Amino acid sequence: AQKITQTQPGMFVQEKEAVTLDCTYDTSDQSYGLFWYKQPSSGEMIFLIYQGSYDEQNATEGRYSLNFQKARKSANLVISASQLGDSAMYFCAMRGGISSGSARQLTFGSGTQLTVLP
Amino acid sequence: DVKVTQSSRYLVKRTGEKVFLECVQDMDHENMFWYRQDPGLGLRLIYFSYDVKMKEKGDIPEGYSVSREKKERFSLILESASTNQTSMYLCASSLTSYNEQFFGPGTRLTVL
Repeated sequence: AQKITQTQPGMFVQEKEAVTLDCTYDTSDQSYGLFWYKQPSSGEMIFLIYQGSYDEQNATEGRYSLNFQKARKSANLVISASQLGDSAMYFCAMRGGISSGSARQLTFGSGTQLTVLP
Repeated sequence: DVKVTQSSRYLVKRTGEKVFLECVQDMDHENMFWYRQDPGLGLRLIYFSYDVKMKEKGDIPEGYSVSREKKERFSLILESASTNQTSMYLCASSLTSYNEQFFGPGTRLTVL
């Protein structure tokens, strides 16, 4: 079974500073994928970034980057130059591999509420 | 842009009622998903479908059923609503299992 752990229920960051949101995962699959989603107060989930387990480079999308440490089973999201609009709930999620039968579905963590302070 | 729509943003039902939540996507995606979201628990998968008329149980299917008669539409059914099914329900779709999922705006269901 897959498991995602987000240990920070809430985080605060000053505007224009960088922030790291933690995510650790547990799987016995060799092939898997890691996703980060943002959920503003409006409720809609917005896809941010994806990292495949065999990707050698850390994924980046604009101000978002994923610090992927495979041996430590961590996939932390780094947001650079925080903006007020970054205030939201952030979810880490994982897609498993075919061998575990969880390739078709995502397992989500409990989320981290990020607040950007002016 | 992918658009996933859900039939209602807010819904109030009584215990024992049959409840239908509808989800439609407009990008010809193979996969569709229903999640419920509760504070502190993240999103939990109820059911998903990877093809028309195909369905698979997720982590918490008890008390729910689904229907996918057309590729673009995936319905979640609460046969007899109970108060513990009060929650936010999110629908999602993806092109394949390996692609990101796109989510609808959610339906906040209250069962009295």
